Amino acid sequence: DTEVTQTPKHLVMGMTNKKSLKCEQHMGHRAMYWYKQKAKKPPELMFVYSYEKLSINESVPSRFSPECPNSSLLNLHLHALQPEDSALYLCASSQDGTGGIVRAFFGQGTRLTVV
Amino acid sequence: AQSVTQLDSHVSVSEGTPVLLRCNYSSSYSPSLFWYVQHPNKGLQLLLKYTSAATLVKGINGFEAEFKKSETSFHLTKPSAHMSDAAEYFCVVSDPPPYNQGGKLIFGQGTELSVKP
Repeated sequence: DTEVTQTPKHLVMGMTNKKSLKCEQHMGHRAMYWYKQKAKKPPELMFVYSYEKLSINESVPSRFSPECPNSSLLNLHLHALQPEDSALYLCASSQDGTGGIVRAFFGQGTRLTVV
Repeated sequence: AQSVTQLDSHVSVSEGTPVLLRCNYSSSYSPSLFWYVQHPNKGLQLLLKYTSAATLVKGINGFEAEFKKSETSFHLTKPSAHMSDAAEYFCVVSDPPPYNQGGKLIFGQGTELSVKP
């Protein structure tokens, strides 16, 4: 199994809603990532978890709250988002949790629209 | 500091003609370099990677890239373009630990490849 699975594929939420994005991998990878991608732009790193601990937070607003319940799962909790947060949210994982990148596997993304 | 520059934001080729997507990088160490492809509304798929082995790297779907340290380049090529190659391509660099800030990938701005019939 060489997949990173993200759910849901599409999400529309109001600015007062609370929702969560889910990411799952069963490759034994110890590093997991959240990226945000706007149209026609490269992915922007949001968070990195290494061995289930948050190792990088790229000054992301607190309305985005990551969680890594175990080595296979990564969640992104969303609350009080703004329309400008609408984007494709990508999850990725890589083998070496100590920071050595062999390759990163990306999920198909969640297309988020905030109304 | 790491940086990646993709020299063309958009490349257009005819089907069956060669593809060249250009990438230059900056790093103080011996980085790993990657090319990813992204089709519309999809995730990123790895085409190929360079991790200090052979300088000519072969990837999937007939793509290859050559690492040239003296030119700090990692250009992506394909001898004959196919309609299905139309997509966004990202050149990505990562420094080795402990210099890569816990696993950061640095993305170029992307090159959109169009393939005309």
